[in-house]
Amino acid sequence: AIQMTQSPPSLSASVGDRVTITCRASQGISNNLDWYQQKPGRAPKLLIYGASSLQSGVPSRFSGSGFGTDFTLTISSLQPEDFATYFCVQDFDYPITFGPGTKVDIK
Amino acid sequence: QMQLRESGPGLVKPSETLSLTCFVSGGSISRSDYYWGWFRQPPGKGLEWIGSIYYDGRTYYDRPLKSRVTIFLDTSKKNFSLKLRSVTAADTAVYYCARPFGGFWGQGTLVTVSS
Repeated sequence: AIQMTQSPPSLSASVGDRVTITCRASQGISNNLDWYQQKPGRAPKLLIYGASSLQSGVPSRFSGSGFGTDFTLTISSLQPEDFATYFCVQDFDYPITFGPGTKVDIK
Repeated sequence: QMQLRESGPGLVKPSETLSLTCFVSGGSISRSDYYWGWFRQPPGKGLEWIGSIYYDGRTYYDRPLKSRVTIFLDTSKKNFSLKLRSVTAADTAVYYCARPFGGFWGQGTLVTVSS
């Protein structure tokens, strides 16, 4: 199975900060990488698909990049509603596997 | 706008079968270019993939669960279902149905395994 790792596991940031989260796959997955945001008690929300495509309705401060094994989610200017946990997930091959998540909280 | 909704018991006894159904509205369940999936999230933990089903009936299951899981699709009723047999406390989780292509997820349903 393809293993997904994320860093950092958590971070503290302030409103307006630029935030970068990285995700690494244990083998190449092309661009078959999505990013999700999840808030407590809520379903995951798709932010980025295909590594770099912004899901409809998602603010443009979110962006994704990467190909192969290394991927990045960037929030250009953190907003109060962005404090949440972020997951990456690969669907290049079965089994579908998720990263462990990065929790973004208020500094 | 497509919506998904999970339905099923919130409490299952150990060794019994967990059964959930996902009702799909606002779109077709019969297209062949994407899959329908079940996922779960144990309390305080990350997301886990359980299995996927395609319109043509192909299924894929997570290996550790494969001997206990069945997913099936009812296109006439616009739903797909999950059965997980011989459950234990380790199967306690919020269960989600989803069509990940397009980011469509149900709201999730907590299933607790307890006597």
